[in-house]
Amino acid sequence: AQSVTQPDIHITVSEGASLELRCNYSYGATPYLFWYVQSPGQGLQLLLKYFSGDTLVQGIKGFEAEFKRSQSSFNLRKPSVHWSDAAEYFCAVGLPYSSASKIIFGSGTRLSIRP
Amino acid sequence: ETGVTQTPRHLVMGMTNKKSLKCEQHLGHNAMYWYKQSAKKPLELMFVYSLEERVENNSVPSRFSPECPNSSHLFLHLHTLQPEDSALYLCASSQDPSDEQFFGPGTRLTVL
Repeated sequence: AQSVTQPDIHITVSEGASLELRCNYSYGATPYLFWYVQSPGQGLQLLLKYFSGDTLVQGIKGFEAEFKRSQSSFNLRKPSVHWSDAAEYFCAVGLPYSSASKIIFGSGTRLSIRP
Repeated sequence: ETGVTQTPRHLVMGMTNKKSLKCEQHLGHNAMYWYKQSAKKPLELMFVYSLEERVENNSVPSRFSPECPNSSHLFLHLHTLQPEDSALYLCASSQDPSDEQFFGPGTRLTVL
């Protein structure tokens, strides 16, 4: 069955430090890949997406993600975090060739920023 | 209005009440979704509508009743809810069910 795994429930990093959030998926073909961010009490906002082509994807707010087919991963990175980056981050996969064509979300990683 | 809007933003209701949540998308999308987000739980997909036809119902109790009168509007009718139904209810839309989804700000529902 298709699945998305975010192994880190909660991560704390210092302001100005680099960040990497992990995402692994299970799917028979190359899926569409997304990262969303959610601030408390708000809806989800798309940070970036990968459909095909260059495996390093640039997004908004200085985020990037790299698709690694061999590892079935799509990790999110930021070279220097800001206090405003504290939020919940969700990885998601779209299944374009599945009869249940839809997006599956991971369980999320909560990011805290240490001053 | 742009994007996806949801009303009301907050709702408190008793277990015997009947209420409705409204979602409207101004993006010209063909698919709309209802999600439930509870504390410390993953995002739960409840319903998917594509071209105004319900294409997915993830074993949601019948006390939740969706309605999609046209491609821009989606409702979630609520009746005889339970306290465990308290959550943030998110609406989303997309051009295609496997494409990126655009989310509304959510309705924070509290059932007393």
